[in-house]
Amino acid sequence: GAGVSQSPRYKVAKRGQDVALRCDPISGHVSLFWYQQALGQGPEFLTYFQNEAQLDKSGLPSDRFFAERPEGSVSTLKIQRTQQEDSAVYLCASSSGQAGTANTGELFFGEGSRLTVL
Amino acid sequence: QKEVEQNSGPLSVPEGAIASLNCTYSDRVSQSFFWYRQYSGKSPELIMSIYSNGDKEDGRFTAQLNKASQYVSLLIRDSQPSDSATYLCAVFYAGGTSYGKLTFGQGTILTVHP
Repeated sequence: GAGVSQSPRYKVAKRGQDVALRCDPISGHVSLFWYQQALGQGPEFLTYFQNEAQLDKSGLPSDRFFAERPEGSVSTLKIQRTQQEDSAVYLCASSSGQAGTANTGELFFGEGSRLTVL
Repeated sequence: QKEVEQNSGPLSVPEGAIASLNCTYSDRVSQSFFWYRQYSGKSPELIMSIYSNGDKEDGRFTAQLNKASQYVSLLIRDSQPSDSATYLCAVFYAGGTSYGKLTFGQGTILTVHP
């Protein structure tokens, strides 16, 4: 597609439910990032993939969070046993830059998935 | 101390004025620097990147980088109401065991009033 596509755009979950958020990056982009953005804050880094390899997962807040990109294209962020503090917008972004290159920071963001945990 | 610091504002300027947005960062070996604009309810979009000391101009936007002072700024000339948004400073570091993490500041809210 022409841009980064995320689904669902909105998700309401009851506390304790599992959720899965999908990201379809720009075709050919090797780098893929997930960010979490709380209201009124800047995006917080969660994890980074180069192709199918998860090179950095230092931002994942707990072992309830898991991300994968098995074929180096579509990525899924999974949150198990959701808690109220997980409520946020989850942003996916892709870049044509490769790991270690400065232009990797030129990100194209999707519209985000807004998660509300009741 | 946060890695990337911005004045959260809000910054209010009249239409036609120059808006000046500032950002400091803590990691001396940061490689590249970016400004993203985020409209309310939308996702961030890249408006400027700067990789070396000095000024970089693109239309009404000028980014300034001073690595010695660990400071990066964005100037918006002839501000328009359509520039009203949150401006996010982002700093990129790739080295050692880090493959590249783009770290954002908390954002500065800019309002341009007619």
